[in-house]
Amino acid sequence: GAGVSQSPSNKVTEKGKDVELRCDPISGHTALYWYRQRLGQGLEFLIYFQGNSAPDKSGLPSDRFSAERTGESVSTLTIQRTQQEDSAVYLCASTYGSASQHFGDGTRLSIL
Amino acid sequence: GDSVTQMEGPVTLSEEAFLTINCTYTATGYPSLFWYVQYPGEGLQLLLKATKADDKGSNKGFEATYRKETTSFHLEKGSVQVSDSAVYFCALSLSGGSYIPTFGRGTSLIVHP
Repeated sequence: GAGVSQSPSNKVTEKGKDVELRCDPISGHTALYWYRQRLGQGLEFLIYFQGNSAPDKSGLPSDRFSAERTGESVSTLTIQRTQQEDSAVYLCASTYGSASQHFGDGTRLSIL
Repeated sequence: GDSVTQMEGPVTLSEEAFLTINCTYTATGYPSLFWYVQYPGEGLQLLLKATKADDKGSNKGFEATYRKETTSFHLEKGSVQVSDSAVYFCALSLSGGSYIPTFGRGTSLIVHP
């Protein structure tokens, strides 16, 4: 498709389980970003990729969070040993250069 | 560091009322400025942008002017509709470097019929 695609759209899992979230950016977009949005809150920056390298991981909240990207394509965000405070919408965005960001619809993660 | 400050919400208006959502910023360089809109259950969408001082961004009846002297980028619309109900985010991005944008906390707009 033409836009940023995220999967799954919803994920419910038990505390302590690992989850993997996927983002397919717009073709040709070199930069990819992950954000977390808690209910009723703004965007919390997690990590930024330029190509397949991550020059800025400063937003990852703990070592349970990791992300990788294959070339200038798909990215996965992995959360290990999930906790209830991980419940949020995880948004992915891609861009080319300093242009505006194109967002996916997010993955709504609920930890029971 | 860079920052974006938006007015607290929710902003509640009647249909056809005039809308202003204030946004001010601090930045070390010369940023591009953006307004994004988020409808329920969706990601953010670019609403409008301005890349240099005195530029006016406009889209769907919304406008914002890049005011360098007051470091502001206030969002306005002359006559809101129920369908404008959403959360609005002001953001800045600096060219060069890592391009990581800075977002405001978002302002919820509720428009009643």
